[in-house]
Amino acid sequence: NAGVTQTPKFQVLKTGQSMTLQCAQDMNHNSMYWYRQDPGMGLRLIYYSASEGTTDKGEVPNGYNVSRLNKREFSLRLESAAPSQTSVYFCASSVLAGPTDTQYFGPGTRLTVL
Amino acid sequence: LAKTTQPISMDSYEGQEVNITCSHNNIATNDYITWYQQFPSQGPRFIIQGYKTKVTNEVASLFIPADRKSSTLSLPRVSLSDTAVYYCLVGDSNYQLIWGAGTKLIIKP
Repeated sequence: NAGVTQTPKFQVLKTGQSMTLQCAQDMNHNSMYWYRQDPGMGLRLIYYSASEGTTDKGEVPNGYNVSRLNKREFSLRLESAAPSQTSVYFCASSVLAGPTDTQYFGPGTRLTVL
Repeated sequence: LAKTTQPISMDSYEGQEVNITCSHNNIATNDYITWYQQFPSQGPRFIIQGYKTKVTNEVASLFIPADRKSSTLSLPRVSLSDTAVYYCLVGDSNYQLIWGAGTKLIIKP
């Protein structure tokens, strides 16, 4: 039981490049989330998926797109990376369709945009 | 949306009780308060959640006064392994999630 896994662990991009961050969970959870974490700040919700087949914007969705590929997988895409997107990205999942339920986090992806 | 405010850092000694307070003046009726712990290079991990009064589990207690404008995470008899960043999260079922900036707790021997 691996929990929530994320790939890659580290990534360096040049401005304008695109990439997709992958996330998968093996806990049969309904809801999945993407956050970014910047130094000195709390986590900020980018997008979430309350259940398979649905996605919604969070607090900071600009510059990102997501896909809920199936119940297990939720990917985050940066179409044209910018230095302001340099951050640590966390994927999380929860059993119920609601953030009041316990969220289980992956280990994070550290992204640097030059 | 509720804004959360936490102390940037705290330190204590092994065996002491540590209390970390989070201020959330604009908390809404449907909001819950959740605390997470984060170690370096790891994702946050759930500690405890509450709505009002007091909640206790095997690792911590959460105290929420009647006006719910603040909450206090209490860690009994801390050890070196409790050195981490602690986050307060205020959120409701409509996905309005507001994370605090985190409190870096350092436990000394």
